[in-house]
Amino acid sequence: QKEVEQNSGPLSVPEGAIASLNCTYSDRGSQSFFWYRQYSGKSPELIMSIYSNGDKEDGRFTAQLNKASQYVSLLIRDSQPSDSATYLCAVKAGRRALTFGSGTRLQVQP
Amino acid sequence: DADVTQTPRNRITKTGKRIMLECSQTKGHDRMYWYRQDPGLGLRLIYYSFDVKDINKGEISDGYSVSRQAQAKFSLSLESAIPNQTALYFCATRGAGTSSTDTQYFGPGTRLTVL
Repeated sequence: QKEVEQNSGPLSVPEGAIASLNCTYSDRGSQSFFWYRQYSGKSPELIMSIYSNGDKEDGRFTAQLNKASQYVSLLIRDSQPSDSATYLCAVKAGRRALTFGSGTRLQVQP
Repeated sequence: DADVTQTPRNRITKTGKRIMLECSQTKGHDRMYWYRQDPGLGLRLIYYSFDVKDINKGEISDGYSVSRQAQAKFSLSLESAIPNQTALYFCATRGAGTSSTDTQYFGPGTRLTVL
């Protein structure tokens, strides 16, 4: 079992819709959770971090964390074609480095 | 200027050659990381360093070595490159401290091809 699991996609949504990206993790000691966006051939860029159960909103992005279910999600409202990218979920436990999922490719159709 | 730089950005080499990838950062961060990325496999950790004297293996360290020459510099070496080391390599940095400083910042990446 992978430590961090994501559906590889592609997830296709129409422009203006809500995109919902999901991630599950196996280490119950995980404390910090991150979503990175990566355009093709580019480096990952942090878009959201979340540390406690519940929702965290930043502009069009909302991260949701449920530690009991070992589940973290990212919602993108009013999706734009420029949001088309691969979204990487990353999890950290203690002093360990980040563990990344394999990413979900999002396609926003104009 | 970029906070995290990697050199070279692209490299093509032959099987058996020794290769060094370099990473420098101006963020003043203690922690530095090397990852490789392969299609469909996400980012996998090769080595990481919490400071100049603290270097740790990641999940896929076999065939690689590292050197932390200074707080700002962390180099990755492939002693004898093989074709399955063809990948995109990223360096990353992070500041020490509380969870609020957990953000990892990535360099632009080095695309390595081993023929």
